[in-house]
Amino acid sequence: KQEVTQIPAALSVPEGENLVLNCSFTDSAIYNLQWFRQDPGKGLTSLLLIQSSQREQTSGRLNASLDKSSGRSTLYIAASQPGDSATYLCAVCTGNQFYFGTGTSLTVIP
Amino acid sequence: DAGVIQSPRHEVTEMGQEVTLRCKPISGHNSLFWYRQTMMRGLELLIYFNNNVPIDDSGMPEDRFSAKMPNASFSTLKIQPSEPRDSAVYFCASILGGGGEQFFGPGTRLTVL
Repeated sequence: KQEVTQIPAALSVPEGENLVLNCSFTDSAIYNLQWFRQDPGKGLTSLLLIQSSQREQTSGRLNASLDKSSGRSTLYIAASQPGDSATYLCAVCTGNQFYFGTGTSLTVIP
Repeated sequence: DAGVIQSPRHEVTEMGQEVTLRCKPISGHNSLFWYRQTMMRGLELLIYFNNNVPIDDSGMPEDRFSAKMPNASFSTLKIQPSEPRDSAVYFCASILGGGGEQFFGPGTRLTVL
């Protein structure tokens, strides 16, 4: 069974810093990997989707990379802002099954 | 498109009562997923449908839980009878095609007293 791990569980950084969130998975046979953001008491908002054939995807200040062979993905956030404070989850898709990590709780301090 | 719609947004009920959660996926999406999120266990997949047919319900915790998708635009998750340990946030999500981008609804926060 696919296992997805996110480290660290929590991260606190000063505003303006660049940061990297990590996601690792145990089975490299994936269709895609998706990064989500969840604000307290809210649903999950899709940030980036990387297909298995892709190495990275970019959207604004966000860049996600995928290394299937090593079972890793990173989410890079440039010039962090207080509004980036949220929990970030990654999800691995194997066919129609989605496996979620437990998330990284990010706090950006003004 | 309005996105994935869930109702009610909040539900408070007493132990033993029947609870029905509702979901309307994004129009044209052919797969629908029900998840449960708790602090202790994180996000758990309960069941998913493909073209209105239940494909995998192995995540449904027990027989008290049932889900239906009578048509492409509507699904329900029912708990009967409800128990305090069912208290959680229940999310519905949909995708267009296998391996597509998953879109989540706002969730239903269920409290069973």
